This record gives sequence, structure tokens and C-alpha cells, in this order.
Amino acid sequence: DADVTQTPRNRITKTGKRIMLECSQTKGHDRMYWYRQDPGLGLRLIYYSFDVKDINKGEISDGYSVSRQAQAKFSLSLESAIPNQTALYFCATRDRGPDGYTFGSGTRLTVV
Amino acid sequence: DQQVKQNSPSLSVQEGRISILNCDYTNSMFDYFLWYKKYPAEGPTFLISISSIKDKNEDGRFTVFLNKSAKHLSLHIVPSQPGDSAVYFCAAREIQGAQKLVFGQGTRLTINP
Repeated sequence: DADVTQTPRNRITKTGKRIMLECSQTKGHDRMYWYRQDPGLGLRLIYYSFDVKDINKGEISDGYSVSRQAQAKFSLSLESAIPNQTALYFCATRDRGPDGYTFGSGTRLTVV
Repeated sequence: DQQVKQNSPSLSVQEGRISILNCDYTNSMFDYFLWYKKYPAEGPTFLISISSIKDKNEDGRFTVFLNKSAKHLSLHIVPSQPGDSAVYFCAAREIQGAQKLVFGQGTRLTINP
């Protein structure tokens, strides 16, 4: 099993719909992150959490919300999806070392 | 404003030759620099890192060089192999606060046989 599992892998949704992307990890890490990848823009941080109930905004949090229900689970929600939220979304966990990030395989989201 | 920049969207290199990927940063408040490799349909995977107090770190075929005065780092892959074909992201870790990673735009490396 993967250390960081994201579901779904692919999703097509309509404008205005609410959608949740799930992330679970078996690494035992406290720190979890949601990133978004767009062509030509690299990975940009949406939200991050250092512990259960700890939620912090990243550089592009508008239009998104997150929930850290347990140490191993960190979900990302789009309350009312819009087409410019079409992107590849990555969840990551991290231990305290500088190179300890582990990424999931990503969720490709298309908003039509 | 992009704090970490990879100005080459793509690079094509002959198998066996050296691949050099470049990255520039504008903020001095980074303590580590990292390179990630990404294959299609997979998440980025850590490749190599360098502390801001060093100027070189080597791991097998991969070497990262850091020039702090120029705010520039580069990844050298030698010899390049077909399996090195991927997108490479440069990232910098913030010293302060949450120590978040800031990523560059990525460079798609293609190794030609």
C-alpha cells in the first residue's frame, strides 16, 4: 500500500458542485499539506496542518477548505467548484527533516 | 510573485551526456533547497537536497550546486539515462515559521537515445 493515498484519482464535476478530495497516510507524520499543480506554475500550497485541529492557509486558499479529522487523514473541499479549479491536486506529509516530504499520486480534477 | 523560478520549461539531452537543470530564487530566507522528480500519473519524489550553508552535494549521478551570491542552484545528472526523463521541480524551504516548501514551475527533461 502507498504511504500517502489520495482518492479519487480522477474526478469530473460540474460548476457549483461541492466536492471533497481525501488523503490518508501511513507514515505517522504530523504535518500534512495540500498542493495544486497547474501547467507553468509548479506546485502551490493551498492549506497545511501540523496536527489534528491545526489548520493553516497557504498561498491560494480562497475557494477551498480543509478538515484534519485524524492524524492520518486530511481532506480538501471545494464548496462550489469553478472551472479555474481544474488542476492536479497533491497531498503530502512530512516529518521534521528538510527532505522528508512524501507526496501522494495526485487527484486530477476537472470542473466543467 | 514567483520566489523560485525555473526558466526553462523543457530540456532535451542525448543519452550519456550531462543534463543541467537550473533554478533561481529571489528570497534569502530559505535554509534548504531540494529537487523533486515527477513521472506522469505519479506524485513528486524527492531526489536530492542541499543546505544553504553548503555549495555542493553529490549523490551518485546527481549533483546539486548552490551559488548563494547569485541566488542560483543547478542539478547535474551525469550520465543521463532514458529513465531520467521526467519533470523536475526545484523547491526551497522557508527558514521561518511553518518551513513551507516553495516550488518552481518545473522543467521537463527528455533523454534521447
